[in-house]
Amino acid sequence: GAGVSQSPSNKVTEKGKDVELRCDPISGHTALYWYRQSLGQGLEFLIYFQGNSAPDKSGLPSDRFSAERTGGSVSTLTIQRTQQEDSAVYLCASSLGDRGNYGYTFGSGTRLTVV
Amino acid sequence: AQSVAQPEDQVNVAEGNPLTVKCTYSVSGNPYLFWYVQYPNRGLQFLLKYITGDNLVKGSYGFEAEFNKSQTSFHLKKPSALVSDSALYFCAVRDWGGSARQLTFGSGTQLTVLP
Repeated sequence: GAGVSQSPSNKVTEKGKDVELRCDPISGHTALYWYRQSLGQGLEFLIYFQGNSAPDKSGLPSDRFSAERTGGSVSTLTIQRTQQEDSAVYLCASSLGDRGNYGYTFGSGTRLTVV
Repeated sequence: AQSVAQPEDQVNVAEGNPLTVKCTYSVSGNPYLFWYVQYPNRGLQFLLKYITGDNLVKGSYGFEAEFNKSQTSFHLKKPSALVSDSALYFCAVRDWGGSARQLTFGSGTQLTVLP
């Protein structure tokens, strides 16, 4: 597609429920990143996918968080048993590759509210 | 490890005046440096990057940034601010020789241009 697409744009869920957030990167971009933006905070790295390599999960805050990327394209971030502290904007970005001089193209994000 | 600091949460400037948004970084090797801008309810948009070469980098919307290795800084500047420049600005870094494959972002600086 022309840009990075994220869905849903907004999600309100009850504490304890599971949620899935979707990211559709730019066609041909092999690298995909998930970040979390909390109110008044910067961007917190969550997970990174590059091609068919094993993902870098070093930023996931707990084992309630997981992500997968199917066919090297669409990615889904899953949060199990959501907590109020999970409320944030979840941003997805894609890049041509993981060389450091490549910039990212970001989606508009999913605003998650846990009530 | 790589890190970046944006020492000002908020910068206010009058329209037509020059603006500066500060960023300092820490890497063990050499840095790739980026500036992104975020408008309300939008994802981050790329402004400019420093990879190698000329220390003064020019980017979108009339913005520029100067890489200063001795001061480990990469401040964002614009000679004449517009009200439409009001947004949240993020500096980001990646270490050339480091193990991280993702950008590390600062906490962001809210720029307000007053008419």
